[in-house]
Amino acid sequence: NAGVTQTPKFRILKIGQSMTLQCTQDMNHNYMYWYRQDPGMGLKLIYYSVGAGITDKGEVPNGYNVSRSTTEDFPLRLELAAPSQTSVYFCASSFVAGFEQYFGPGTRLTVT
Amino acid sequence: GQQLNQSPQSMFIQEGEDVSMNCTSSSIFNTWLWYKQDPGEGPVLLIALYKAGELTSNGRLTAQFGITRKDSFLNISASIPSDVGIYFCAGQLYYGGSQGNLIFGKGTKLSVKP
Repeated sequence: NAGVTQTPKFRILKIGQSMTLQCTQDMNHNYMYWYRQDPGMGLKLIYYSVGAGITDKGEVPNGYNVSRSTTEDFPLRLELAAPSQTSVYFCASSFVAGFEQYFGPGTRLTVT
Repeated sequence: GQQLNQSPQSMFIQEGEDVSMNCTSSSIFNTWLWYKQDPGEGPVLLIALYKAGELTSNGRLTAQFGITRKDSFLNISASIPSDVGIYFCAGQLYYGGSQGNLIFGKGTKLSVKP
């Protein structure tokens, strides 16, 4: 049982480039989440999804987009990368909102 | 947005010592969760609490859901070197704020005493 997997593990982007961070879970969870973690700042919710075809904004959605075409996958898209998007990105999933969330290993992104 | 106040921000441990940390808020919570994050890894769930007053243990870890529903603490007994890392509390607001999603504290960083 892999749980939540994320790719890539590391990435360096130039300003203005775009990329997609991949997230897959094999626990048949309805809810999936994208967070960013900046040093000393905890986890901030970017987007979340309550099921296939349904997504909604979290606390810090600007500069990101998501889609949820299947229960398993929840990719995060960065368009026109900016230095402010340098961060560690975590994907998580849960059975229901407010319930135990399980995290992937993270993607460390640097925008220069 | 809603705030969880987690303290202390950091602490140093000596092997064998007991450790205590807590999270407080001015709002009422349905759920309290405690996570540990090792360097370069994602947070790992340690303990989940769903009922006011609930006291739950996981090995040397004990956590409690405060009776007022506004706080939670985590204790680690007889600490060992592998306890170092960042500990996060997280909770779901009782009144459905933040769209029912978890709110995270900023973390307590445990390091080994030099």
